[in-house]
Amino acid sequence: KAGVTQTPRYLIKTRGQQVTLSCSPISGHRSVSWYQQTPGQGLQFLFEYFSETQRNKGNFPGRFSGRQFSNSRSEMNVSTLELGDSALYLCASSITDIADTQYFGPGTRLTVL
Amino acid sequence: QQQVKQSPQSLIVQKGGISIINCAYENTAFDYFPWYQQFPGKGPALLIAIRPDVSEKKEGRFTISFNKSAKQFSLHIMDSQPGDSATYFCAASRSGFQKLVFGTGTRLLVSP
Repeated sequence: KAGVTQTPRYLIKTRGQQVTLSCSPISGHRSVSWYQQTPGQGLQFLFEYFSETQRNKGNFPGRFSGRQFSNSRSEMNVSTLELGDSALYLCASSITDIADTQYFGPGTRLTVL
Repeated sequence: QQQVKQSPQSLIVQKGGISIINCAYENTAFDYFPWYQQFPGKGPALLIAIRPDVSEKKEGRFTISFNKSAKQFSLHIMDSQPGDSATYFCAASRSGFQKLVFGTGTRLLVSP
């Protein structure tokens, strides 16, 4: 079974631009969560989607948003990029919204110049 | 109350030795404690996880010890190998909630 896939793997943007990252969960998984990983702040939860509904949101500004489609694929969007948004963005999927085991993708490395 | 504190920040162990990484949590509502292994350029991969109803769980060379009263848990890697060199993260969550609260990570280097 294929794992979690994320596209693109690498992205370079400039301040003020916006970016959209994509995540395809493991086949059959309906819950998708997003995390930001930086050297300074570590791994931080962004938000979680299940059945196209955002169920939980981390402590990030409104510039960070996401959505989930009917096929469970998810996208996250960051508007008005700031230098501090440079990070590895990780997507994780799980079978249901109450299943504990989360499987992570390889991440998208976003660099903001 | 949402923090998970992890130590040490880095660890060097000789091949064949035991690697021990410790974590402590504050939120008593946490009831699921996984450990993740991350190699450079890769996403975290689940190693082993435990719930508070058991004090120890072993899978191969990896063992989690859990002390509910102290709100601490640790990862032991027996017979450490150079291939174990990676960053290890402990995490915690409330069962049924997908939000994982991660520790700050431990960079393990196993010398040949």
